[in-house]
Amino acid sequence: SQTIHQWPATLVQPVGSPLSLECTVEGTSNPNLYWYRQAAGRGLQLLFYSVGIGQISSEVPQNLSASRPQDRQFILSSKKLLLSDSGFYLCAWRSRDRGGLAGSYEQYFGPGTRLTVT
Amino acid sequence: GNSVTQMEGPVTLSEEAFLTINCTYTATGYPSLFWYVQYPGEGLQLLLKATKADDKGSNKGFEATYRKETTSFHLEKGSVQVSDSAVYFCALSKGSQGNLIFGKGTKLSVKP
Repeated sequence: SQTIHQWPATLVQPVGSPLSLECTVEGTSNPNLYWYRQAAGRGLQLLFYSVGIGQISSEVPQNLSASRPQDRQFILSSKKLLLSDSGFYLCAWRSRDRGGLAGSYEQYFGPGTRLTVT
Repeated sequence: GNSVTQMEGPVTLSEEAFLTINCTYTATGYPSLFWYVQYPGEGLQLLLKATKADDKGSNKGFEATYRKETTSFHLEKGSVQVSDSAVYFCALSKGSQGNLIFGKGTKLSVKP
């Protein structure tokens, strides 16, 4: 069966410090990978998605970046954190499209990382 | 553009009450529709889905029917339990990458 891991689970960082959040998926190959942010009292915002190694699409311009160095590894980074970067960060995966039915495949979410920028 | 609108919460019910959480969507064509549930401090779990009009998704006593004529996908459960207390998200998936668009979530609290 497939599992998705995120770490760390919680993180408290000062403004201006760097950030690196990691997500790994087991039990599947060539997944689509996603980073979402959930701010307090708000819904989920898609930040980045990736359809393959080194392929990153950004949905929202900001001071965050993403990388996919391996097939099942997805990293979210920042060089200098802002207060507004605080939130709950969720990684998700989805099976690769087969036969043009991409929209019918559900995404599976990791346990999340709670980031507090102070 | 594509969007999802959910009823505002929080919703507070007594145990064994009937639950309805409204969800409507805006999209061209035929999106797939999903309900996810998030328990406190956890990630999202898929609750149910429907991929075409008139499909009914069901799981753990929850149901939702894809109504294209009213562009709705309302979540229902006949008898809620305290353990159902969580935040529920409606979402649609469309486009070549199948990216999800979420509603803002509805918090449900069930009292014993």
